[in-house]
Amino acid sequence: AQSVTQLDSHVSVSEGTPVLLRCNYSSSYSPSLFWYVQHPNKGLQLLLKYTSAATLVKGINGFEAEFKKSETSFHLTKPSAHMSDAAEYFCVVSEGGGGNKLTFGTGTQLKVEL
Amino acid sequence: AAGVIQSPRHLIKEKRETATLKCYPIPRHDTVYWYQQGPGQDPQFLISFYEKMQSDKGSIPDRFSAQQFSDYHSELNMSSLELGDSALYFCASSPPGGETQYFGPGTRLLVL
Repeated sequence: AQSVTQLDSHVSVSEGTPVLLRCNYSSSYSPSLFWYVQHPNKGLQLLLKYTSAATLVKGINGFEAEFKKSETSFHLTKPSAHMSDAAEYFCVVSEGGGGNKLTFGTGTQLKVEL
Repeated sequence: AAGVIQSPRHLIKEKRETATLKCYPIPRHDTVYWYQQGPGQDPQFLISFYEKMQSDKGSIPDRFSAQQFSDYHSELNMSSLELGDSALYFCASSPPGGETQYFGPGTRLLVL
């Protein structure tokens, strides 16, 4: 069975400073990993995905994530935070192996301060 | 670009009532997934359908049922509603052979 662990439930950064949201995964298969963002009272928007191609994945809004098999990690980063980045971020793993149900991490609430 | 459509967006029901949530996938997507997100919780997988057949089942209560129709839209039927069913219900769809799921805006269900 697959799972993801988001190491921080809350992260606070100043506008213009780097963002790091940490995620570790556990999967029996070669995993597919995703980051989704959820703004308050909104749906889930796909930021980026890793599906066994390049290990450094670039997403929307300047976000990127690096798949590190040796560390079983898939951390999300952004060089410079913007106020509009304040939201809940979910690291997600897909079952793979023919099944596609998603397993979500518990989420990281990102706060961006002036 | 067309997105996943869910209706209604908001729903208020009394305990023991029934509710039907609808999901219209992105055109040409053949797989639909349902997730439940309780207050302050991460989304939990309920059930999925591929080509109108149930393809996987998660933590869906026996009081809930779902189906996918010939036009690929899906409905989640919830009976004997309980207070604990109050949540945001997301539908997602994926294209043929694709793994990425695209989520709708959700239906917020409040059970009083």
